[in-house]
Amino acid sequence: AQTVTQSQPEMSVQEAETVTLSCTYDTSESDYYLFWYKQPPSRQMILVIRQEAYKQQNATENRFSVNFQKAAKSFSLKISDSQLGDAAMYFCATSPGRSGGGADGLTFGKGTHLIIQP
Amino acid sequence: EPEVTQTPSHQVTQMGQEVILRCVPISNHLYFYWYRQILGQKVEFLVSFYNNEISEKSEIFDDQFSVERPDGSNFTLKIRSTKLEDSAMYFCASKRPVPGELFFGEGSRLTVL
Repeated sequence: AQTVTQSQPEMSVQEAETVTLSCTYDTSESDYYLFWYKQPPSRQMILVIRQEAYKQQNATENRFSVNFQKAAKSFSLKISDSQLGDAAMYFCATSPGRSGGGADGLTFGKGTHLIIQP
Repeated sequence: EPEVTQTPSHQVTQMGQEVILRCVPISNHLYFYWYRQILGQKVEFLVSFYNNEISEKSEIFDDQFSVERPDGSNFTLKIRSTKLEDSAMYFCASKRPVPGELFFGEGSRLTVL
């Protein structure tokens, strides 16, 4: 079983500044994936960044990076140089990482509403 | 870029009526999912589907719900005898054979009156 906790219902940041969204998780899986999804007002969830738990190196995608602390079961998202288009709900999620495929879906946190102040 | 498409975008129905939500997953994906998001709450897993059968389902997915892939392209969620508490956004998602990322549709908003 997996659980994901996002303790910040809402965060606000000035445009061009940096913001960090928190996420902690719990899983019984030895191999798993972690994700951050963005859900803008248009509703479709879009993958922002993903991390394989077996990789020690933190994933990075342009202005988005994660701080993956496996022992602490923490997976925070850092957004650098925030832009107005970053405003959205951000969901942290996990799934088992079975090799060869697997129908396991995602377990989501409750989300963090990110507001970008111009 | 291929994407998951869902219809209808919004459906309003009377309590007790049956609703079918449709999804066209990305063509080379093999795993299909339905999720639900009640307004202001987190996204909840309903069911996963692989090789023409349900792989996993949550406690939410009771006998009121059913899924099928009737023609090899559409993936449908049927809700029988809708209740007020079924009002939510329903998201379809699909995944490639390699585990990991799910691709989501834009969702179908269901309003039960």
